[in-house]
Amino acid sequence: GDSVTQMEGPVTLSEEAFLTINCTYTATGYPSLFWYVQYPGEGLQLLLKATKADDKGSNKGFEATYRKETTSFHLEKGSVQVSDSAVYFCALNDGNKLVFGAGTILRVKS
Amino acid sequence: ETGVTQSPTHLIKTRGQQVTLRCSSQSGHNTVSWYQQALGQGPQFIFQYYREEENGRGNFPPRFSGLQFPNYSSELNVNALELDDSALYLCASSRFDGQGHNEQFFGPGTRLTVL
Repeated sequence: GDSVTQMEGPVTLSEEAFLTINCTYTATGYPSLFWYVQYPGEGLQLLLKATKADDKGSNKGFEATYRKETTSFHLEKGSVQVSDSAVYFCALNDGNKLVFGAGTILRVKS
Repeated sequence: ETGVTQSPTHLIKTRGQQVTLRCSSQSGHNTVSWYQQALGQGPQFIFQYYREEENGRGNFPPRFSGLQFPNYSSELNVNALELDDSALYLCASSRFDGQGHNEQFFGPGTRLTVL
């Protein structure tokens, strides 16, 4: 079945550093791709999405581009803040369900 | 607009017991999906309900069952609880418009601990 692999964490950065969290996927078709964020003690919030190849999703300074040739959807942010500390999940839709990666913990130090 | 709500927030059960978790979908949504998130892992799809019928199921045993009500709210029932059932259970609602399921909006989850 379809699957998502994302880089292991935790990722620890200083405030204003550049962030990259790698995500690759395996799918039989052309799924939509998502990044979700989970803050401590909360549910999942959709951060951004892309529905077809070469689409770029963006939100709150975060960006990710749907790369069909490398089956990747890496999350980037130019300058992280302490408030970005959370767990980030890459996901794809497989029919009517979402398939998630294991999550990457991001810790940003001031 | 009211978001997705879940109850209870936390609960503790012992092995062999049964549990019922509840979810109220977001206004305008007609589909509810349930996910299990074990500690340190990503959410795993349990099943989805649409028009009060199960509309897809993940790799979970039959002791995981559910219901959807006419107001689109939903319950997740787990019988014969096992220690490995300890997890955060997430409910997500969405709207199926005949062309495909749109974005899923997640609730805050119910933390289940099985002792």
